[in-house]
Amino acid sequence: AQKITQTQPGMFVQEKEAVTLDCTYDTSDQSYGLFWYKQPSSGEMIFLIYQGSYDEQNATEGRYSLNFQKARKSANLVISASQLGDSAMYFCAMSFSSGSARQLTFGSGTQLTVLP
Amino acid sequence: DAGVTQSPTHLIKTRGQQVTLRCSPKSGHDTVSWYQQALGQGPQFIFQYYEEEERQRGNFPDRFSGHQFPNYSSELNVNALLLGDSALYLCASSYRFSNYGYTFGSGTRLTVV
Repeated sequence: AQKITQTQPGMFVQEKEAVTLDCTYDTSDQSYGLFWYKQPSSGEMIFLIYQGSYDEQNATEGRYSLNFQKARKSANLVISASQLGDSAMYFCAMSFSSGSARQLTFGSGTQLTVLP
Repeated sequence: DAGVTQSPTHLIKTRGQQVTLRCSPKSGHDTVSWYQQALGQGPQFIFQYYEEEERQRGNFPDRFSGHQFPNYSSELNVNALLLGDSALYLCASSYRFSNYGYTFGSGTRLTVV
């Protein structure tokens, strides 16, 4: 069974500093995708970054980078130069094949608060 | 380019009633998945529709059912509502069985009283 673990229920970071949000996963599949989503209080899931299981280089998207360590089954999100608008809930998720479909499994999330 | 549209945004229902939630996928997407997100938790997969058929189902009872229409839009129906069904219901669309490219709507917040 696929499982995503986020061990940090809440994190605080000073504005303009970098922060790392932890994510570990468990799967026996060889082909899977790892995602990070941001969910503000409005509820919408906003896509941040994606890493494929066969990608050798870590993914980057602007201020977001994914520290992918396949052997350790970890996919940590690094946010550089934090902004007040980064305060939100962050979810790590994994896509995998299930029967004739692909589905996402989510972690329990990390609430990030950026302090001025 | 319109993203995923969900309606209604908020809904209050009484225990035992039935509810229908609606989702229009992003333009170019043909696959719709539904997720339930209880307060303080991550979303849980309910089911996925492609070519108007339910392709996979998560660990949800038969009270949860769905439908996909020829224009790829989808409905989620929940019968005999329980207090525990109170949650944010998220719709996500994608293209075929892509391992990437999921787009989520803003969700429908259902409160069962």
